[in-house]
Amino acid sequence: QEHLVESGGGVVQPGSSLRLSCVASGFTFSNFGMHWVRQAPGKGLDWVSLIWHDGSNRYYAASAKGRFTISRDNSENTVYLQMNSLRAEDTAIYFCVSDYDILSGRYMRFAFWGQGTLVTVSS
Amino acid sequence: QSVLTQPPSASGTPGQRVTISCSGSNSNIGSNALSWHQQVPGTAPKLLIYSNNQRPSGVPDRFSGSKSGTSASLAIGGLQSEDEADYYCASWDDSLNGWVFGAGTKLTVL
Repeated sequence: QEHLVESGGGVVQPGSSLRLSCVASGFTFSNFGMHWVRQAPGKGLDWVSLIWHDGSNRYYAASAKGRFTISRDNSENTVYLQMNSLRAEDTAIYFCVSDYDILSGRYMRFAFWGQGTLVTVSS
Repeated sequence: QSVLTQPPSASGTPGQRVTISCSGSNSNIGSNALSWHQQVPGTAPKLLIYSNNQRPSGVPDRFSGSKSGTSASLAIGGLQSEDEADYYCASWDDSLNGWVFGAGTKLTVL
């Protein structure tokens, strides 16, 4: 059974930094790209970042570029999101989500979702 | 303001067929695959449709997806009370070089 568990959320002041982690189990993590998707309170889904299965490529939403860094450690089945210069508008639940399995031949993206970790940026 | 446009709400009665639309442009839906996601409030989203019209295992065949040009739609047949949720479309956008989600459609089962 595929499982993603996020951690690292909390309440921080504007301008602070936070590092989110997501540990995967139940599937071959190194075969999957990984996304971070966030959801502000009462709002819709907002894609943040994607890292390829081997870490060779990374993509960011305009809102995250220059402030957030996605990385992964395939030996630990973990993906990270380093968030710097946090703003009030970054307040959201942050979900870790799978991209597709590069060996499957099927582009079944966003199949596995974690339960999310809440980040609150407030003074 | 999302680059993928969805109606904010939809409704139907049990047993009815409902469709939810998602409209984009040549840089997203027009040239890339679309997925649909269901989110019951307070829970994580769930993948319903990928690659425009493919269902993951475990998703009932009451759910179907289609795409034409720069628009797509999700159809839900034989509406059930447990289908009451928010539905989101998503696609890669070549101009933004990133993924985009629609703003979501809240489905109410009357």
